[in-house]
Amino acid sequence: AQSVSQHNHHVILSEAASLELGCNYSYGGTVNLFWYVQYPGQHLQLLLKYFSGDPLVKGIKGFEAEFIKSKFSFNLRKPSVQWSDTAEYFCAGQRDAGNMLTFGGGTRLMVKP
Amino acid sequence: DGGITQSPKYLFRKEGQNVTLSCEQNLNHDAMYWYRQDPGQGLRLIYYSQIVNDFQKGDIAEGYSVSREKKESFPLTVTSAQKNPTAFYLCASSMGTSGAQYFGPGTRLTVL
Repeated sequence: AQSVSQHNHHVILSEAASLELGCNYSYGGTVNLFWYVQYPGQHLQLLLKYFSGDPLVKGIKGFEAEFIKSKFSFNLRKPSVQWSDTAEYFCAGQRDAGNMLTFGGGTRLMVKP
Repeated sequence: DGGITQSPKYLFRKEGQNVTLSCEQNLNHDAMYWYRQDPGQGLRLIYYSQIVNDFQKGDIAEGYSVSREKKESFPLTVTSAQKNPTAFYLCASSMGTSGAQYFGPGTRLTVL
């Protein structure tokens, strides 16, 4: 079965700390990967996506993610977080074009000012 | 403004009643989706539709029904057969099924 897992359910950081949120997927073959963010009281928004090509993907608001095929991972990173990054982050995967997205369980990030 | 709208934002219903959640998009997207979001479980797919007058069950379709009579609209009915309907429901759309999905603001349904 296809699955996407996020290991950290809750993360608390101080401002200016570096962030890395883990995401692993369990299916082989061609895969599309996404990170979404849900700020308090707002829509789920697309942060970045990987379809093919350069495995280091840059998204909005200074976020980036690296696709490591050998580790089945697509971790999200940001060098220096801000209080405004407090949100819930979801990783999602799609095996081949036309298949549905599978979401991870989400990681709640709290950034202390 | 292009986007996805869901109404209402909050909905309360008595147990045993059917309720319909609205989802409209003006992005000219072909595909539309309904998800349910529960704490710690991420988003789970209820139904999706790739074209008008066609839809498929997702992972947790039992107790739900949908229709897709217009490209812009994909309403979800939560029936009395759904055993645990209290949840946050999200609608999404995409240009095709392989593209990124864009989400509406959600409807929080509480069944009393």
